Amino acid sequence: GQQVMQIPQYQHVQEGEDFTTYCNSSTTLSNIQWYKQRPGGHPVFLIQLVKSGEVKKQKRLTFQFGEAKKNSSLHITATQTTDVGTYFCAGRRNNRKLIWGLGTSLAVNP
Amino acid sequence: EAGVAQSPRYKIIEKRQSVAFWCNPISGHATLYWYQQILGQGPKLLIQFQNNGVVDDSQLPKDRFSAERLKGVDSTLKIQPAKLEDSAVYLCASRTTRRETQYFGPGTRLLVL
Repeated sequence: GQQVMQIPQYQHVQEGEDFTTYCNSSTTLSNIQWYKQRPGGHPVFLIQLVKSGEVKKQKRLTFQFGEAKKNSSLHITATQTTDVGTYFCAGRRNNRKLIWGLGTSLAVNP
Repeated sequence: EAGVAQSPRYKIIEKRQSVAFWCNPISGHATLYWYQQILGQGPKLLIQFQNNGVVDDSQLPKDRFSAERLKGVDSTLKIQPAKLEDSAVYLCASRTTRRETQYFGPGTRLLVL
């Protein structure tokens, strides 16, 4: 069954507002990846987190990996219409299997 | 660098018919994945190849789905016979053995009527 949970499933924000999506695993992960999928498009790799407590930034995007390596978050500051899409986390367990979350769909009102 | 190529981009078939999808990964990428993505869901791994060998096919419905990567480069995924619930986007992805980043193709959108 599903072992990587993502919340919320949907988020609707006004342009300029912040957005956060959370990813939680029932087991410790060796690493976690984040992907963005635009409507009608395919997943595009954003980042990979490996270390406990790791924080990485890409312009307005901030990614965190929890201390226990069981959860992660993606925070977007001051959303823009170009941020629209579905954000997926995918966690890798020690047996090398990559488990995908169901994604958080972000809609941004201009 | 050319990306992952997939064909066809769209396919409409009737249930019980057969269909095949083709994927050409990025040159030099030894690892190739086939995913099924049903509308509103995340990608579900169907099969993973390392060169021409199968690494993981635990979620492949083997009674109707088959995949091969005979020469360790291109791959084909076949469904025979198709069911209504097979309607989805079939994504191919590839990566090198040294890096975790997966590069996805544009996908094949399958509609089974």
